[in-house]
Amino acid sequence: GQQVMQIPQYQHVQEGEDFTTYCNSSTTLSNIQWYKQRPGGHPVFLIQLVKSGEVKKQKRLTFQFGEAKKNSSLHITATQTTDVGTYFCAGPPATDSWGKLQFGAGTQVVVTP
Amino acid sequence: DADVTQTPRNRITKTGKRIMLECSQTKGHDRMYWYRQDPGLGLRLIYYSFDVKDINKGEISDGYSVSRQAQAKFSLSLESAIPNQTALYFCATSDPGYGEKLFFGSGTQLSVL
Repeated sequence: GQQVMQIPQYQHVQEGEDFTTYCNSSTTLSNIQWYKQRPGGHPVFLIQLVKSGEVKKQKRLTFQFGEAKKNSSLHITATQTTDVGTYFCAGPPATDSWGKLQFGAGTQVVVTP
Repeated sequence: DADVTQTPRNRITKTGKRIMLECSQTKGHDRMYWYRQDPGLGLRLIYYSFDVKDINKGEISDGYSVSRQAQAKFSLSLESAIPNQTALYFCATSDPGYGEKLFFGSGTQLSVL
C-alpha cells in the first residue's frame, strides 16, 4: 500500500535559523497537503499543492511539490518560537477515484530561544 | 476548529467496556472521518462517511464501529475496549469544494486500563 515518509522525525532549531522537512511518498500523489499541530492541539490545514513542481509561500514558510508528484518539502526561514509543533504532510494516491489522505508520521519541531 | 466538536475531551475506561466518542459539526460538510493518532505514527484513518447512507472502513477499522446519525453527527464506538486502543482520536470533516482539506475537532484522549 501507499506509504508516506517524513524526515526528520524530530527537528531542534535555534531561533532565527532556517530548516527544511521532507515528505516522500511511495506512489504518485494527486496533491499534497500540509498540516500543523501545536502541542496539545489538533491538526490545522496549512496548504495544498496540486501541480507538478509547484511552489507556494506563506510568509516564512515555503512549500514545494516535486516534479514527479511523489515528494514535497517545507522550508521555514528565520524560525520563531511560534513555529513549534508537528508538521504533517498528507496526500491521496493519484490512482484512487476518491483519494483517502495518507498521512506521514510528522516532523516534530522544537525551537530553542 | 470550533465548528467540529468532539465529546468527551478525555476518557478513561477499563478493558472490556463499551465506549462511544461523539462528533458533531456545524460546517455543513457531507464528509466526515475518524482518525486515530499515536506517537510516531501520524494519523490513521479508522472510518469515513460521505453521507448519512455511506460508511466505509479505513485502514484500521478492526475493533471499531461507527454510526452516522445525521449529516452533522458521526459517532465512533469501541465495543469492547482494549489497552492498545489507548490513543488520541480526531474527528474531521471535508468538503470537495475546498479541495478535500480536513477540518479537525479538538480530539478525544482515550485511555483504556
